Amino acid sequence: KAGVTQTPRYLIKTRGQQVTLSCSPISGHRSVSWYQQTPGQGLQFLFEYFSETQRNKGNFPGRFSGRQFSNSRSEMNVSTLELGDSALYLCASSLGTSTEAFFGQGTRLTVV
Amino acid sequence: QQQVKQSPQSLIVQKGGISIINCAYENTAFDYFPWYQQFPGKGPALLIAIRPDVSEKKEGRFTISFNKSAKQFSLHIMDSQPGDSATYFCAASKGGNTGKLIFGQGTTLQVKP
Repeated sequence: KAGVTQTPRYLIKTRGQQVTLSCSPISGHRSVSWYQQTPGQGLQFLFEYFSETQRNKGNFPGRFSGRQFSNSRSEMNVSTLELGDSALYLCASSLGTSTEAFFGQGTRLTVV
Repeated sequence: QQQVKQSPQSLIVQKGGISIINCAYENTAFDYFPWYQQFPGKGPALLIAIRPDVSEKKEGRFTISFNKSAKQFSLHIMDSQPGDSATYFCAASKGGNTGKLIFGQGTTLQVKP
């Protein structure tokens, strides 16, 4: 059974650009969550999608957005990139509300 | 506001010893407490999780102890091995929603041979 797949694994972008990250959840999983991981702030929750609807949102500016498709795949977008957006972005999927969350390997975003 | 506080930040243990990592939470609505293990270059992987209806849960060498009145929970790694060297994160969520986890700051564990 394939795990959570995140693409691309690495990205280098310039300040002011925008970026789209992709997450393919484990087959059958309907919940997809996104987290930002940095050395200073640790793991912070960005948002959660369930059946194409955003169910929860963390305390991030509106430059961070996401969506989920009918096949449960999810994308997150960051517009007007800032140096501080450099981080490991992790996606996690689960079957539903109260089931174990499985993480992907993440996308390492570097903003220069 | 840091809702889940984790300590220590780093830990060095001899092979065969017991590693203990502690977490404290503030929100009494939290009702799901997992521990994740992360190796460099990898995403976090669930080790063990507990809900507040039990005070202890054991899976192999890993044990969670939970103290609801003190709003604290801890991870004990028995017979620590060099392969356990990793970063450990505690987390919490409310309403049983595993899709929105609030993480502690992490503990880097080094197990010396």
